[in-house]
Amino acid sequence: AQTVTQSQPEMSVQEAETVTLSCTYDTSESDYYLFWYKQPPSRQMILVIRQEAYKQQNATENRFSVNFQKAAKSFSLKISDSQLGDAAMYFCAYRGRVARQLTFGSGTQLTVLP
Amino acid sequence: DTGVSQDPRHKITKRGQNVTFRCDPISEHNRLYWYRQTLGQGPEFLTYFQNEAQLEKSRLLSDRFSAERPKGSFSTLEIQRTEQGDSAMYLCASSLGRTLEAFFGQGTRLTVV
Repeated sequence: AQTVTQSQPEMSVQEAETVTLSCTYDTSESDYYLFWYKQPPSRQMILVIRQEAYKQQNATENRFSVNFQKAAKSFSLKISDSQLGDAAMYFCAYRGRVARQLTFGSGTQLTVLP
Repeated sequence: DTGVSQDPRHKITKRGQNVTFRCDPISEHNRLYWYRQTLGQGPEFLTYFQNEAQLEKSRLLSDRFSAERPKGSFSTLEIQRTEQGDSAMYLCASSLGRTLEAFFGQGTRLTVV
């Protein structure tokens, strides 16, 4: 079974600074997808960024980028120029190529300090 | 609003009672998922529908849990004889065909007292 581990329960960053959230996963599959989801307080989870395992290039979405290390099974999220609105719980998630459901990590609570 | 909607947002029930939650997915989405999220944890997969067919169920979905998606539109999740351990946020998500992105609702928070 696949597992996703987020070893940082809480992180904080100063506004306008850069922060990196860590995620590792375990799988025997060679083709899969990885995601970072953001869950603001009392609001629904939204997709921040995704990475297809077959793509060597790291995904980027505006201020959000990932460092995908397939051999190390590592998938970290970098948030540049942090904003107050980035404060939320961030979940790393895995989906196999065939499976439809997501396997989530336990989350990292990000606080942005003004 | 054309997002995923869930009803109710909050439910308090006494142990042993039955509860039913509803999820309305984004209208053109044929795939619907239920997840359970306990405090301080990530969501855990419960079950998945493609159109009206329930294609996969997690071992977490005990025989007290049942989900339906009649006509491939909205879905209901029923918990019979609720237990305190059922207290959690129940999340619904939907997606379209082969797309990778799942859209989540705001969830139903269940408290069993």
